[in-house]
Amino acid sequence: RKEVEQDPGPFNVPEGATVAFNCTYSNSASQSFFWYRQDCRKEPKLLMSVYSSGNEDGRFTAQLNRASQYISLLIRDSKLSDSATYLCVVTSSASKIIFGSGTRLSIRP
Amino acid sequence: DVKVTQSSRYLVKRTGEKVFLECVQDMDHENMFWYRQDPGLGLRLIYFSYDVKMKEKGDIPEGYSVSREKKERFSLILESASTNQTSMYLCASSLAAQGYGYTFGSGTRLTVV
Repeated sequence: RKEVEQDPGPFNVPEGATVAFNCTYSNSASQSFFWYRQDCRKEPKLLMSVYSSGNEDGRFTAQLNRASQYISLLIRDSKLSDSATYLCVVTSSASKIIFGSGTRLSIRP
Repeated sequence: DVKVTQSSRYLVKRTGEKVFLECVQDMDHENMFWYRQDPGLGLRLIYFSYDVKMKEKGDIPEGYSVSREKKERFSLILESASTNQTSMYLCASSLAAQGYGYTFGSGTRLTVV
């Protein structure tokens, strides 16, 4: 079993829809959690951190469920420009930083 | 804005060649990382460095070495390139080590023939 798992997708949703995807992790000692966004043929860029209390940034909401060991990303009122691959990052120590393989999201007009 | 610059966007090398991938960052970051990204496998950490002349192995260091002689520069070396090292190589730097605030370079797509 991979240490960090994501549904590869693609998630294909209409503009304006709400979409959510999860990322599960196997190490219960994991400490920090993040979502990165990667556009086609581009480098990953930090989207948002994931806090225990959950956090929101505009149309994006990230949540952490420690009991079930997963993090989630919710995108409301999706835009065409949200089409990208979303990578989750889980860290358990300074040297143990693991990226998920990514979930591909495609927003159609 | 932090800028991380990788010397080549595309590179084609022959099996057995010694390959140098260069990465330079301009924000005085302590931490620098080399990843490779392959379809279905995500980003995998090859090596990282927390300071000049310091290096630590990541998850897949075999066949690679690194050099950090100056704070701003972190080089990845393929001692004898092999076809299974064909991949996208991404360099990143950060102030904090634990995944937060990574800035990635635009990547080097290396093909070994």
